[in-house]
Amino acid sequence: AQSVTQLDSQVPVFEEAPVELRCNYSSSVSVYLFWYVQYPNQGLQLLLKYLSGSTLVKGINGFEAEFNKSQTSFHLRKPSVHISDTAEYFCAVSEDNYGQNFVFGPGTRLSVLP
Amino acid sequence: EAGVVQSPRYKIIEKKQPVAFWCNPISGHNTLYWYLQNLGQGPELLIRYENEEAVDDSQLPKDRFSAERLKGVDSTLKIQPAELGDSAVYLCASSSRTSGSTDTQYFGPGTRLTVL
Repeated sequence: AQSVTQLDSQVPVFEEAPVELRCNYSSSVSVYLFWYVQYPNQGLQLLLKYLSGSTLVKGINGFEAEFNKSQTSFHLRKPSVHISDTAEYFCAVSEDNYGQNFVFGPGTRLSVLP
Repeated sequence: EAGVVQSPRYKIIEKKQPVAFWCNPISGHNTLYWYLQNLGQGPELLIRYENEEAVDDSQLPKDRFSAERLKGVDSTLKIQPAELGDSAVYLCASSSRTSGSTDTQYFGPGTRLTVL
């Protein structure tokens, strides 16, 4: 069975600084990887997903992530964060061809400071 | 296009009382999911429907939890009786299964349940 680790429960960063949110997974088969964002009192919104092809995936709001199979990682990055990026970020993995059987990580709370 | 609708947004009940949550998925989405999200944790799948059939309910505590999606559209999740540990956010999501495609799950805003 697959699992997801997000080592950083909280990441504080100043506005306009770069940020990296780490995600590692374990799986015995090929996986599909996702990053979701959750703003306060809202549902989850898809940022980006890796299915196949290029290991660098670009998403919405200027975020990107890189799939590294050898390190079983899928870290999320943004070169310059904004106050509005303050939210909870969840990494998820699926072994299902349709990406339906998700396992979510515990989440990382990104706090962007002025 | 309307998103996934959930109601109520907040619910406070006393332990041992019943409670029900309602979800209306995005129009045309045949797959519907119920997740449980505890504070400070990621969502955990409770049940997944393909149309009106529950295809994965292995994580649903069936002694007190039940769900239905009678006409393959909206769905209700029920807890009876509720326990203190059931306090959490209950998320509903939907997706449209397309052959050969990995489909995005769209989430509703959730129902925050507090059991006193």
